[in-house]
Amino acid sequence: GEDVEQSLFLSVREGDSSVINCTYTDSSSTYLYWYKQEPGAGLQLLTYIFSNMDMKQDQRLTVLLNKKDKHLSLRIADTQTGDSAIYFCADFYNTDKLIFGTGTRLQVFP
Amino acid sequence: DTEVTQTPKHLVMGMTNKKSLKCEQHMGHRAMYWYKQKAKKPPELMFVYSYEKLSINESVPSRFSPECPNSSLLNLHLHALQPEDSALYLCASSSATSGGPGRNEQFFGPGTRLTVL
Repeated sequence: GEDVEQSLFLSVREGDSSVINCTYTDSSSTYLYWYKQEPGAGLQLLTYIFSNMDMKQDQRLTVLLNKKDKHLSLRIADTQTGDSAIYFCADFYNTDKLIFGTGTRLQVFP
Repeated sequence: DTEVTQTPKHLVMGMTNKKSLKCEQHMGHRAMYWYKQKAKKPPELMFVYSYEKLSINESVPSRFSPECPNSSLLNLHLHALQPEDSALYLCASSSATSGGPGRNEQFFGPGTRLTVL
């Protein structure tokens, strides 16, 4: 089955850029997603990228996709304390379900 | 209305109780999902309903019983749960259904925090 991995923790200073990385194993992935989860809350869809794209920019968010290496990243520019949360990448696997990565906890300090 | 609502927010139940979790959306979505999320872990898919029919059951124990009475509502009936079933239960909905083309953005509710004593 599909396996989606992320680094567990990232700490950045307010105003810096954050880069959260994700690797996946399914070469037939069509859409890859980034979700944000704040403490005690549900998941909020941030952005997605279609598999025939290399990059997608959406305001402060930039998604990069390297299909050859099966590597996805999310860059948050000018990171704010409100960006502190857990970030999950997700692969729309085999047209049936979302497979979530292990999650990266982003901590932003002043 | 782009919201998925879930009730209750918190639920504490004993192992002999019967309770239900409720989920509602008014976005016209025809696919609805139940996920279970343990602390510090990603959500795990439990069930998928497509056009009010159960399309995926991820080998969930029978003490969890889903129901989709109409296209806007999704219930999860709970009976004889175990303490290890304590978790955040998330409901989601999407417009694209299983096997369909196009993106499958899932919109999540805030979840029900379940504690089984």
